[in-house]
Amino acid sequence: EAGVAQSPRYKIIEKRQSVAFWCNPISGHATLYWYQQILGQGPKLLIQFQNNGVVDDSQLPKDRFSAERLKGVDSTLKIQPAKLEDSAVYLCASSLEAGGEQYFGPGTRLTVT
Amino acid sequence: SQQGEEDPQALSIQEGENATMNCSYKTSINNLQWYRQNSGRGLVHLILIRSNEREKHSGRLRVTLDTSKKSSSLLITASRAADTASYFCATDASGGSYIPTFGRGTSLIVHP
Repeated sequence: EAGVAQSPRYKIIEKRQSVAFWCNPISGHATLYWYQQILGQGPKLLIQFQNNGVVDDSQLPKDRFSAERLKGVDSTLKIQPAKLEDSAVYLCASSLEAGGEQYFGPGTRLTVT
Repeated sequence: SQQGEEDPQALSIQEGENATMNCSYKTSINNLQWYRQNSGRGLVHLILIRSNEREKHSGRLRVTLDTSKKSSSLLITASRAADTASYFCATDASGGSYIPTFGRGTSLIVHP
């Protein structure tokens, strides 16, 4: 079974630039999550999709972050414009159903200079 | 805000010893899950325990859940150097939303 795919793996941008991350969940998984993980902390949920609908985005900084999950499969997370404090690892995960075991992708390490 | 908080923040033991880490949370939950994260394999699911369960086992792992104390513990028996990782608990508040919240994690080092 193929795992959760993410790209790119690494990204370095300057502040005020924009960046986009892509995630392909495990086939058949209805729930998709985007997390932000700052060094030394646990993952922080940014947005949770159930199929192509948003379940929760209460911690997503909506003035600069956006996410979509077209057709209930792949998802993209965008940051525009980036700030220094956005430097983190962005993790995508999927689960068969909400509340179930989550499978994580390798993450994208973002550095904002 | 952090729903689950792991304790201790860091733990250092010798190979062969047991490791116990705890997770406390604030509100009633549907499920509690434990995950492991190391540089080689990223974040990996270990065990899910439901609010109506008290104990679950998986290989050398034993998880307990005490909903009256709003706490859970993860026991790793006969630890190995390969168990060196950060361990996180994740809870989702009771109700229908199943929105997960991770704690800050326990950093475990197992010395060979």
